Amino acid sequence: EIVLTQSPATLSLSPGERATLSCRASQSVSSSYLAWYQQKPGQAPRLLIYGASSRATGIPDRFSGSGSGTDFTLTISRLESEDFAVYYCQQYGTSPFTFGPGAKVDIK
Amino acid sequence: QVQLVESGGGVVQPGGSLRLSCAASGFTFSIYDMHWVRQAPGKGLEWVALIRYDGNNKYYADSVKGRFTISRDNSKSTLFLQMNSLRVEDTAVYYCARKGLGAASDYWGQGTLVTVSS
Repeated sequence: EIVLTQSPATLSLSPGERATLSCRASQSVSSSYLAWYQQKPGQAPRLLIYGASSRATGIPDRFSGSGSGTDFTLTISRLESEDFAVYYCQQYGTSPFTFGPGAKVDIK
Repeated sequence: QVQLVESGGGVVQPGGSLRLSCAASGFTFSIYDMHWVRQAPGKGLEWVALIRYDGNNKYYADSVKGRFTISRDNSKSTLFLQMNSLRVEDTAVYYCARKGLGAASDYWGQGTLVTVSS
């Protein structure tokens, strides 16, 4: 099983600042099948990034993903109020299709 | 527009059974693989199961293997999760999700809550 580790667990930032979230895999993620999701309280997750770096439909370009192999990054270039949420990475190349533990971006 | 609507959640005693449904609309259900993902209260996301578009291949998390069965009825655009031998630790919101854009989960339902308690 591929174990995903996210860091930091919590990121406290102000609107307008840059957020950088890390996702590290215990083994190489095949074909960069790495996704990022955003989840707000009481809501279902929303797909942000797939294939490590492709933005999903309707996702603003302040969200970007990068990385390959075992190290991946989600960057939010300038935080807006609606971006304060929990972010999960997921590898979907190898069953079981594991999620990271999540990273919370909250308002400083 | 794409819609996924889960139903069938509720309160069940340990050792009991429950069958969840996910009604799909707004897309050609029969050509998409589908997932179940769960989230225990206050916890992170846990992938549960995947079924291929034609129902011929199924994959499970170790935590549910042998107890849960994923299935689908393409004629009714509906996904199912049969949950047997339920445990307290199966308490969670259960989401169905479509394996779509770039093979990631691009659409999710709103979830249905399963509570296993005596």
